[in-house]
Amino acid sequence: NAGVMQNPRHLVRRRGQEARLRCSPMKGHSHVYWYRQLPEEGLKFMVYLQKENIIDESGMPKERFSAEFPKEGPSILRIQQVVRGDSAAYFCASSPQGSGAPATQYFGPGTRLLVL
Amino acid sequence: AQSVSQHNHHVILSEAASLELGCNYSYGGTVNLFWYVQYPGQHLQLLLKYFSGDPLVKGIKGFEAEFIKSKFSFNLRKPSVQWSDTAEYFCAVNIDSNYQLIWGAGTKLIIKP
Repeated sequence: NAGVMQNPRHLVRRRGQEARLRCSPMKGHSHVYWYRQLPEEGLKFMVYLQKENIIDESGMPKERFSAEFPKEGPSILRIQQVVRGDSAAYFCASSPQGSGAPATQYFGPGTRLLVL
Repeated sequence: AQSVSQHNHHVILSEAASLELGCNYSYGGTVNLFWYVQYPGQHLQLLLKYFSGDPLVKGIKGFEAEFIKSKFSFNLRKPSVQWSDTAEYFCAVNIDSNYQLIWGAGTKLIIKP
């Protein structure tokens, strides 16, 4: 029973390039959450998605960041025109349930993004 | 705004010592509480969780945590640590069964062999 998969594990980009982070939820899970962890800080919620729907993107920066979870394939977090401040660990989690009930979230290994 | 505080950013203990990591949250309503652990080079793993019922929760690897509602606390404990417990420990809360997890900054635990 594979856990949450994220790739790549490490990503290096130069300023101005695009970063694409992928997340495949656990089998049977239809809810995906993205979190960002800046150095020496806790994780911060970014976005919550269900298949083909963005449920809550209140934690996403208004510009350059977008997320999707298509009917087929992994969830994608896209960062356009990256800046040094985007350097962080990006974690994806999945759960079989969403809001309205306690839902344990299971985490992937994270993608460490370094912007040069 | 709701927040989660982990007061100890770094803790160093010898093997067999007892452990208690503090976690306090700021919210007066219904909460669900979690402790996650991240071993070096690995992903976040759920140690234990509290949703309701007995406020003393037992998790994996001999860890336990106690929810004290009057103190807004959910401290993590282990009576005798091992070198393999070296990791970073995160406390997280969701409120009113909302999906968003609010995280503490983490505590880096180093166990000296």
